[in-house]
Amino acid sequence: DVKVTQSSRYLVKRTGEKVFLECVQDMDHENMFWYRQDPGLGLRLIYFSYDVKMKEKGDIPEGYSVSREKKERFSLILESASTNQTSMYLCASSLAGDAYEQYFGPGTRLTVT
Amino acid sequence: GQNIDQPTEMTATEGAIVQINCTYQTSGFNGLFWYQQHAGEAPTFLSYNVLDGLEEKGRFSSFLSRSKGYSYLLLKELQMKDSASYLCAVKDSNYQLIWGAGTKLIIKP
Repeated sequence: DVKVTQSSRYLVKRTGEKVFLECVQDMDHENMFWYRQDPGLGLRLIYFSYDVKMKEKGDIPEGYSVSREKKERFSLILESASTNQTSMYLCASSLAGDAYEQYFGPGTRLTVT
Repeated sequence: GQNIDQPTEMTATEGAIVQINCTYQTSGFNGLFWYQQHAGEAPTFLSYNVLDGLEEKGRFSSFLSRSKGYSYLLLKELQMKDSASYLCAVKDSNYQLIWGAGTKLIIKP
């Protein structure tokens, strides 16, 4: 079974703090993704990566950065957390190719106060 | 702009059949996915359609009409555990997934 794990289920941070969210997958997937999910909205893509050290901006990259130093690990960084970044963050991975589904981690519910 | 439309919420009875519709307007089309998401959990993959027609997988079926920009997910013999949100997502011309907001399905005994 594919397993995608995220470093925390719940996180509370203060405005201005630097926040690291870690994601690890164990199935040698090429592609990895970071989304945020807010009530009433679809999943919104923040960043994705097709390979180690490669990253591409998604729909809402502002205020975020990512790092992929190893194939199995994809990190999301909030450089200076703000209250509008309070959200559920979901990491996903998939094999390369059009028809392959994405496998999601359990999510990190981040609250910025 | 790109848009995926699904009903916000639906209610159905245990043992019945329910159809969840999804209409899309995207720049290009490279496949449509359905995911299930239980409250507080991650989405899990249900089905993938890239050609017109019906794909059946046990109690769940998914239909696609590319000319109409339309898909539906059909759930038969509903069980209480089917209470969840159902997410429709389309892969566009850039091979990126565009997600609908999801349909919350409530199953009543």
